[in-house]
Amino acid sequence: NAGVTQTPKFRVLKTGQSMTLLCAQDMNHEYMYWYRQDPGMGLRLIHYSVGEGTTAKGEVPDGYNVSRLKKQNFLLGLESAAPSQTSVYFCASSEPPNSPLHFGNGTRLTVT
Amino acid sequence: KNEVEQSPQNLTAQEGEFITINCSYSVGISALHWLQQHPGGGIVSLFMLSSGKKKHGRLIATINIQEKHSSLHITASHPRDSAVYICAVLRNTGNQFYFGTGTSLTVIP
Repeated sequence: NAGVTQTPKFRVLKTGQSMTLLCAQDMNHEYMYWYRQDPGMGLRLIHYSVGEGTTAKGEVPDGYNVSRLKKQNFLLGLESAAPSQTSVYFCASSEPPNSPLHFGNGTRLTVT
Repeated sequence: KNEVEQSPQNLTAQEGEFITINCSYSVGISALHWLQQHPGGGIVSLFMLSSGKKKHGRLIATINIQEKHSSLHITASHPRDSAVYICAVLRNTGNQFYFGTGTSLTVIP
């Protein structure tokens, strides 16, 4: 079982470039999340989705956009990358309230 | 202000020791999760609790809803238990998770 798959695993961008991170889950979960993880801080929610075609802002949404055109995929876009977006990004899926969180393996993004 | 606080932030133990990691939260929740993150970064779910106690092998998780507190215990610790342990709560409104900053555990042989 694949679970949650994130691509790419690593990426280096220059300031102002754009990119899209892809998250795919095969568990038929309704809820999908994008988090960023920075040293000394807990995982912080960027955007989330409670079902196909829906998205909502989390704690730190600025500079990011998302789309959930298919239930199994949740895309995170950076329109114009900034050094402050250097982080490790995790996608997760769940079926609250009775399901564990399932995480992808993370994407390490560096913006120079 | 953090909705979820963990202690200690860092913990070093000798192999075989009994380990306790604590988590306190300040919001109403429908569930509490304990997660494990190994060097190299992957995050896996260890426990999901809404009341009482759960046990998997050498790991035990407890929760006291009235006191808004949970503990993760590791019995007979082993170097392979070295990881960051993260407490996360699912709020009972909005279905969003809130995370502690993690406890970094190192078990020395």
